[in-house]
Amino acid sequence: DAKTTQPNSMESNEEEPVHLPCNHSTISGTDYIHWYRQLPSQGPEYVIHGLTSNVNNRMASLAIAEDRKSSTLILHRATLRDAAVYYCILNTGTASKLTFGTGTRLQVTL
Amino acid sequence: NAGVTQTPKFQVLKTGQSMTLQCAQDMNHEYMSWYRQDPGMGLRLIHYSVGAGITDQGEVPNGYNVSRSTTEDFPLRLLSAAPSQTSVYFCASSAGLRETQYFGPGTRLLVL
Repeated sequence: DAKTTQPNSMESNEEEPVHLPCNHSTISGTDYIHWYRQLPSQGPEYVIHGLTSNVNNRMASLAIAEDRKSSTLILHRATLRDAAVYYCILNTGTASKLTFGTGTRLQVTL
Repeated sequence: NAGVTQTPKFQVLKTGQSMTLQCAQDMNHEYMSWYRQDPGMGLRLIHYSVGAGITDQGEVPNGYNVSRSTTEDFPLRLLSAAPSQTSVYFCASSAGLRETQYFGPGTRLLVL
């Protein structure tokens, strides 16, 4: 199975950048890297995804290692509203393989 | 555009009772799925559907049934509720297996 490994928790100060790491050493060539986040008492929401190249959108940036065995979600300026659990998942294109681990709980403080 | 809607928001059942959790999406998405999330845990896939009339099992299907008679709706049925099914249930949809998933707000289920 396509597994990912993330730290259980991270802390950041408001207005500072946050780098959330994810290891996926068993990734295959066609697996997409997706990031979702789950705010308290809400369903997960999409953040960003990529295949090989780094990606930017209005929410975040995704940096993908050259060997694709790891990736980093970058929040450029963390706010209190970014406090959430962030999930890194591999989308293999197989419906039964879409699994969410326990993610990284991000705490943002003033 | 409502996205993915789920009803009810909260439900209490007694052991052995049955109920149906409703999920609907208005984005014409082919792929829909049900997850459960236990306290402090990630999401686990229960059942999924790749189109009307097509369903399949995920990681934890036991105790749950699904059907997909229309593109819009994907109900999850608990035939005989057990305390182990106490959880938060999320429905999701996407345009395809590799596309972004859109999640509903969840249904909190307590089985006594």
